[in-house]
Amino acid sequence: EDQVTQSPEALRLQEGESSSLNCSYTVSGLRGLFWYRQDPGKGPEFLFTLYSAGEEKEKERLKATLTKKESFLHITAPKPEDSATYLCAVGGSNYKLTFGKGTLLTVNP
Amino acid sequence: GAGVSQSPSNKVTEKGKDVELRCDPISGHTALYWYRQRLGQGLEFLIYFQGNSAPDKSGLPSDRFSAERTGESVSTLTIQRTQQEDSAVYLCASSLEVGGGSPLHFGNGTRLTVT
Repeated sequence: EDQVTQSPEALRLQEGESSSLNCSYTVSGLRGLFWYRQDPGKGPEFLFTLYSAGEEKEKERLKATLTKKESFLHITAPKPEDSATYLCAVGGSNYKLTFGKGTLLTVNP
Repeated sequence: GAGVSQSPSNKVTEKGKDVELRCDPISGHTALYWYRQRLGQGLEFLIYFQGNSAPDKSGLPSDRFSAERTGESVSTLTIQRTQQEDSAVYLCASSLEVGGGSPLHFGNGTRLTVT
């Protein structure tokens, strides 16, 4: 069974203080690793797909990286508007995405 | 519309009543998924559709839950004889194709409260 574990559960940063979120996974036949952002009362918003170890994707202050066992979401010089829950998911050979419980990020001004 | 649309956005029902939740996926998306999100929990897979067919119903919690999709478009998730433990946000998502490598695009969910 595919499994995703995210850490930490919650992270509080000061504006401008860079950090990383971790996503550890086990999956049968990785088809893709996905990062989402979820704001309160909203559905998850797609950010990145990573397909193979060594791949990196960037979007504004966010950069996602992938190894064979984990993925990191690096946040550089965060702003208060980056505050959200960040979800990691893996897609394997069983065609469904398995999600982690997420990391609640709070960026204080 | 440009995104996945779900209705109603909120539903309050009494224990024992039936409810029907609706999802309009992104036009042209073959695959459609239903997930459940309980407070403080991860997204729980319920069912997915490839076209109008549901190859994997393994996530449906009980026989009180059913789903259908028609015209490779709209899907409905029906919960019969609702129980308090059914209270959650029900999220629908669509993607271009089934296969685990295609990102899901989510609606904003239906928040179901069973009293």
